[in-house]
Amino acid sequence: GESVGLHLPTLSVQEGDNSIINCAYSNSASDYFIWYKQESGKGPQFIIDIRSNMDKRQGQRVTVLLNKTVKHLSLQIAATQPGDSAVYFCAENMDNFNKFYFGSGTKLNVKP
Amino acid sequence: DAGITQSPRHKVTETGTPVTLRCHQTENHRYMYWYRQDPGHGLRLIHYSYGVKDTDKGEVSDGYSVSRSKTEDFLLTLESATSSQTSVYFCASRDRVEGEQYFGPGTRLTVT
Repeated sequence: GESVGLHLPTLSVQEGDNSIINCAYSNSASDYFIWYKQESGKGPQFIIDIRSNMDKRQGQRVTVLLNKTVKHLSLQIAATQPGDSAVYFCAENMDNFNKFYFGSGTKLNVKP
Repeated sequence: DAGITQSPRHKVTETGTPVTLRCHQTENHRYMYWYRQDPGHGLRLIHYSYGVKDTDKGEVSDGYSVSRSKTEDFLLTLESATSSQTSVYFCASRDRVEGEQYFGPGTRLTVT
């Protein structure tokens, strides 16, 4: 697989702790958001999505929170595991579901 | 994982030469995408397709063209490669307007 050496903001957490990864999006007209996980050497992998008519959505061990007032998105990972170590991206979509705009990502390091 | 592959996985080429990257999916997905990933920029959409022979430009389409003659194949062509096109290229596909986008493993292209 391929990966890109990115100088990214990094979040380091202890195994078992909860992680919160934040994302500020750019356009108040964005109405659909996705969080992706990218492991080293692989393509991005879908985690969870949320529409703008919601402010919270839960998945398995993950929760996405959307604050449209301040254009902020967060991803919460419960009981973080070593396998969660990766780069996490948020993506926003407006008007056309084919055009997504990705953030630059946050690197999550999980310490055993 | 959805059956999505990219070829070649690595390529080094000289400035001014044409390059074609291939994306192949076996899921009969309608929508396909080409992105590039560079340090500090996350993923940026180059072109996308919403059906056979139906394509449109993304955020960074200059210098790139695409073709989709069959549902399963989406080709990205750099007519005359430049050093600024050195990047990691990801293909993705999706079967419906919302929801998960499945990414390929990426192609690392170096233009010397």
